[in-house]
Amino acid sequence: AQTVTQSQPEMSVQEAETVTLSCTYDTSESDYYLFWYKQPPSRQMILVIRQEAYKQQNATENRFSVNFQKAAKSFSLKISDSQLGDAAMYFCAYRSGSNTGKLIFGQGTTLQVKP
Amino acid sequence: KAGVTQTPRYLIKTRGQQVTLSCSPISGHRSVSWYQQTPGQGLQFLFEYFSETQRNKGNFPGRFSGRQFSNSRSEMNVSTLELGDSALYLCASSLTVTKYTGELFFGEGSRLTVL
Repeated sequence: AQTVTQSQPEMSVQEAETVTLSCTYDTSESDYYLFWYKQPPSRQMILVIRQEAYKQQNATENRFSVNFQKAAKSFSLKISDSQLGDAAMYFCAYRSGSNTGKLIFGQGTTLQVKP
Repeated sequence: KAGVTQTPRYLIKTRGQQVTLSCSPISGHRSVSWYQQTPGQGLQFLFEYFSETQRNKGNFPGRFSGRQFSNSRSEMNVSTLELGDSALYLCASSLTVTKYTGELFFGEGSRLTVL
């Protein structure tokens, strides 16, 4: 069975600084997808960034980028130039490539952004 | 384009009662999945429906059930409620479950409190 682990329950960052959230996963599959989702307080979860396992290049979306280390089964999220609006809970998630919408989530990391 | 709509947003029930939660996916989306979010267990997959068929089911007791209608709207039902069923229930929809279009879009959730 696949598992996702986020070892940082809480992180904080100064506004305009950079922060990295960690995620490790375990799978025996070769075809899968990894995601970072953001859940602001009392608001809906939104997709931040996605990485296909078959792509060696790390995904980037504006201020958000990932460090995907397939051999190490590591998938960290880097947020550059942190903004107050980045404060939220961040979830790392795994999805099998075998035509399913099922996501396996990590426990989440609460990010605090200090002005 | 309207997002994923979940109703009701908040509800309070007592132990032993049953509850039905509704989810209307984004127009044109055919896949709906449900997740339970609690502080202790995090986000756990309940089930996934595609074209009225249950494709996947998580590790929950038989008291949890769901269905999908021909218009892709989905309902989940929890019978004989227990205190531990108190949670935020999230619904997510996607266009399909194929590799290239399987991004999940989440609703704001239905927060169930069992007294």
